[in-house]
Amino acid sequence: NAGVTQTPKFQVLKTGQSMTLQCAQDMNHEYMSWYRQDPGMGLRLIHYSVGAGITDQGEVPNGYNVSRSTTEDFPLRLLSAAPSQTSVYFCASTSQGRIEAFFGQGTRLTVV
Amino acid sequence: GIQVEQSPPDLILQEGANSTLRCNFSDSVNNLQWFHQNPWGQLINLFYIPSGTKQNGRLSATTVATERYSLLYISSSQTTDSGVYFCAVDFQKLVFGTGTRLLVSP
Repeated sequence: NAGVTQTPKFQVLKTGQSMTLQCAQDMNHEYMSWYRQDPGMGLRLIHYSVGAGITDQGEVPNGYNVSRSTTEDFPLRLLSAAPSQTSVYFCASTSQGRIEAFFGQGTRLTVV
Repeated sequence: GIQVEQSPPDLILQEGANSTLRCNFSDSVNNLQWFHQNPWGQLINLFYIPSGTKQNGRLSATTVATERYSLLYISSSQTTDSGVYFCAVDFQKLVFGTGTRLLVSP
């Protein structure tokens, strides 16, 4: 099992550009979520999904879109990148039966 | 929403020393997890511990749900223990504390 795989690991964007951060898990987990981590802070929830076709907003959803067409994939879209979105992004998955969350390796995004 | 506070914010230890990290939360929770973020940024799940005590090698954790706190104990610390330790509560919508940054020097 690869666990939770995020791509890319690093990305530099210009202000106004759009991009998609990819997240895939091979553990057949129902729950998936996206977090951002800023210096000196814990992780903050952007969006989450409790299953294919179901998504909801977290604490800091503005500027981001998500969709969940399959159990395995949960991409995060930046519609028009802003310098305030410079951060490290983590994807996580959790199964309904087991409670532990598993995280991807993160994507370090810089918006200039 | 629920608030999660961790203390101390920073901790410096000599190799071999013991330490206790604390996590306070503002409301009752069904889920509490401890994570270690290593110096390369990887988040590793250490414990799922909504109540009671668990041990895994040199690490152990205790959660007293009625008093809304959890403790992470690290015994005989090693340089590889360095990093940031986070507690997080709730279920699929995890709420993280701001972490304890631990540096273990040889």
